Amino acid sequence: DSGVTQTPKHLITATGQRVTLRCSPRSGDLSVYWYQQSLDQGLQFLIHYYNGEERAKGNILERFSAQQFPDLHSELNLSSLELGDSALYFCASSKLGELFFGEGSRLTVL
Amino acid sequence: DQQVKQNSPSLSVQEGRISILNCDYTNSMFDYFLWYKKYPAEGPTFLISISSIKDKNEDGRFTVFLNKSAKHLSLHIVPSQPGDSAVYFCAAINLSSGTYKYIFGTGTRLKVLA
Repeated sequence: DSGVTQTPKHLITATGQRVTLRCSPRSGDLSVYWYQQSLDQGLQFLIHYYNGEERAKGNILERFSAQQFPDLHSELNLSSLELGDSALYFCASSKLGELFFGEGSRLTVL
Repeated sequence: DQQVKQNSPSLSVQEGRISILNCDYTNSMFDYFLWYKKYPAEGPTFLISISSIKDKNEDGRFTVFLNKSAKHLSLHIVPSQPGDSAVYFCAAINLSSGTYKYIFGTGTRLKVLA
């Protein structure tokens, strides 16, 4: 158990819809990272927040947005969903250079 | 632009033998490298890391080697065990930049045969 909690574990929705994925980092970790893993793909960096502020952005689509709240949990919002958005979405928090990943949220867009 | 590459999608090794997983990178500013292991239906878990000031780091059966001139790192697992069967990701970061952007490779699926 990494200590990083992600909900929901599985989500099935239709094209055009909007979903919100939630992440609670490990106790004491101020950083939250979001990654996307599509079928047979590596982990694509989406965005990094530190103590509520956006620190780095990767290949995150404009239809996607994220935020980190004062209690340090983070949400990733995916809107106008397309079939290609079907993927595993991982959240991670970090300490001393090491990333700790949650179990992921599997999104299926039909 | 794939800054971190794992050119072997899969690898099969006999139990007890050495597994060597390779990773290449293009950004010379990366100064910290990590290996993660991922089982199906689980998140990646940290395995071992190495700073760019070192060329080798060892932790039990796992050793990571870094060749900065070749921009290449490798993970050695000796001896390989069936429980090591998983997908292995290498990752790199420029810690000194302060942006904390971890870049991952596409992974290598290791199968250790009993």
